Amino acid sequence: AQKVTQAQTEISVVEKEDVTLDCVYETRDTTYYLFWYKQPPSGELVFLIRRNSFDEQNEISGRYSWNFQKSTSSFNFTITASQVVDSAVYFCALSEGPGNNRKLIWGLGTSLAVNP
Amino acid sequence: EPEVTQTPSHQVTQMGQEVILRCVPISNHLYFYWYRQILGQKVEFLVSFYNNEISEKSEIFDDQFSVERPDGSNFTLKIRSTKLEDSAMYFCASRGGTSGRALNEQFFGPGTRLTVL
Repeated sequence: AQKVTQAQTEISVVEKEDVTLDCVYETRDTTYYLFWYKQPPSGELVFLIRRNSFDEQNEISGRYSWNFQKSTSSFNFTITASQVVDSAVYFCALSEGPGNNRKLIWGLGTSLAVNP
Repeated sequence: EPEVTQTPSHQVTQMGQEVILRCVPISNHLYFYWYRQILGQKVEFLVSFYNNEISEKSEIFDDQFSVERPDGSNFTLKIRSTKLEDSAMYFCASRGGTSGRALNEQFFGPGTRLTVL
């Protein structure tokens, strides 16, 4: 069965600290896609990254970086030098392919509070 | 950049009333989705729609729910007789279909917050 686990429900850090949000997934498919979304207090879902199962290269975008490890079925997200504006709920999600549907299966989310 | 829009942003209704949530997906997209997020909880898949029919629906999507693409641009979610537990944020998403980012990424609207009293 497909499943996404975000074991950390809440994290609180002080500004400028680094923080890693964990995501572990389960899928039977060999082709799948992993995503991270940010949900700020305003409620919208902001796309951060997509990674497909054939690309295990880690990615860095500014202060954000992602570590994809198929061996441990994990797709962790690190924010370096966190800022107050990073405070939000972060969701990890999985979609399976190929096929037409590709619905997203979501983790429970991790609420990150970055304090000044 | 094209975006998915949803109206209204907030809908308040009485229990038992019908509501229609509206979405305008990105114009050349082919796959459409509705998701629901009860306050403080995770996002849940409701239904996917392709080629003018439902391609998959979740257990949440019972007979009280229906979707329609009436005019080639709008994509609507109807709840026939709302219950208190339908109170949630409803997100519409659309996805392209040919290659690259459009093939694999769902673009989300800003959501409609439904409050059932």
